[in-house]
Amino acid sequence: GAVVSQHPSWVICKSGTSVKIECRSLDFQATTMFWYRQFPKQSLMLMATSNEGSKATYEQGVEKDKFLINHASLTLSTLTVTSAHPEDSSFYICSAFRQGGAGELFFGEGSRLTVL
Amino acid sequence: QKEVEQNSGPLSVPEGAIASLNCTYSDRVSQSFFWYRQYSGKSPELIMSIYSNGDKEDGRFTAQLNKASQYVSLLIRDSQPSDSATYLCAVNWDNAGNMLTFGGGTRLMVKP
Repeated sequence: GAVVSQHPSWVICKSGTSVKIECRSLDFQATTMFWYRQFPKQSLMLMATSNEGSKATYEQGVEKDKFLINHASLTLSTLTVTSAHPEDSSFYICSAFRQGGAGELFFGEGSRLTVL
Repeated sequence: QKEVEQNSGPLSVPEGAIASLNCTYSDRVSQSFFWYRQYSGKSPELIMSIYSNGDKEDGRFTAQLNKASQYVSLLIRDSQPSDSATYLCAVNWDNAGNMLTFGGGTRLMVKP
């Protein structure tokens, strides 16, 4: 299957720090990527849709000024959690949609953020 | 509102049995259907995709699609403890990838 790489896998930071998470599609171009957040034992929650070359589309209730998304190329989207607080601690997962053929969605490995 | 429904479980089956996971969706104009497996603390992994009515088999996994009844299921034959995970059903309402909706997932437990 296609490969989507996410970095870093783990990050621990102090409250007030900004953290950037990268999501790369390694073997296909992705005009659309998605960012999810998942709390323990809960379902995936779609945060935003990242569109290459344009502004991200955020889901209701997700603060766009807090979760900055940049999709500057066809293989890279970044999520920056600005001024992180302990309640932002979660598992953040990106996915990339491979168009054509099966039109499948592939997930990155996820990034676990712990804010102290 | 396009919805995808799954029983949250847990579904418990003995090792070697067939595990049957079900998913219903709300909109008839659905294009493609996917099953993902998510182990605890890991991200989802695509295991099956199905686009037309009927069965699709891949190893121990069989996906079944019935568009008239708006359900898609996943059968796991000869279940193993390593199959214990949460299984997510996803429906793509178009082929542009912009309208992929996930069910809440079914937790499967395979007991040795």
